[in-house]
Amino acid sequence: QKEVEQNSGPLSVPEGAIASLNCTYSDRGSQSFFWYRQYSGKSPELIMFIYSNGDKEDGRFTAQLNKASQYVSLLIRDSQPSDSATYLCAVFDRGDSSYKLIFGSGTRLLVRP
Amino acid sequence: GAVVSQHPSWVICKSGTSVKIECRSLDFQATTMFWYRQFPKQSLMLMATSNEGSKATYEQGVEKDKFLINHASLTLSTLTVTSAHPEDSSFYICSARDPDSSYEQYFGPGTRLTVT
Repeated sequence: QKEVEQNSGPLSVPEGAIASLNCTYSDRGSQSFFWYRQYSGKSPELIMFIYSNGDKEDGRFTAQLNKASQYVSLLIRDSQPSDSATYLCAVFDRGDSSYKLIFGSGTRLLVRP
Repeated sequence: GAVVSQHPSWVICKSGTSVKIECRSLDFQATTMFWYRQFPKQSLMLMATSNEGSKATYEQGVEKDKFLINHASLTLSTLTVTSAHPEDSSFYICSARDPDSSYEQYFGPGTRLTVT
């Protein structure tokens, strides 16, 4: 059973700080990783995806991937109260006859004004 | 970006009735769509993968006779909750994969089902 693990939080940071969200996965063969943001009562929206080891930056967001250690993280710089949401880590799983995303349980982020 | 719509956005039904939820990809053709269910304060649970022109693939523990999925065209998949019960009350979300943009899935806005 392939698994994606996240700390449920809440992770509380002050406005302007860096928020660091972490995710580990069980399948060493996984190749593609995604971060989604979900506001309460809404559906998830894609923030970033990363395929290669190292860092990938997009605005205030940086995704970090370390395949050897099987973890992927998301850094949010200059955190804003509007960033308060649940962040879902997802790993692409290509099975024998289908493919799907396996989601972690999500980390709730609270940015204090 | 790719847009996925769902209809209705919320529905209330009586126990024992059936409810149909539609998922549409508006600006791309989706050969594969996914149906998720999310209970309060819990993560997304994949229910089934819907493939255009063929039978859906259900995840372990999901009753295929209760959750009927039809993917009759490249832009529309439907989920019918048959003989709904209060425990089926949940947030149902569909997503679609754009085959031209790698592995990303684009989510619909979700449908909140309440069974009384």
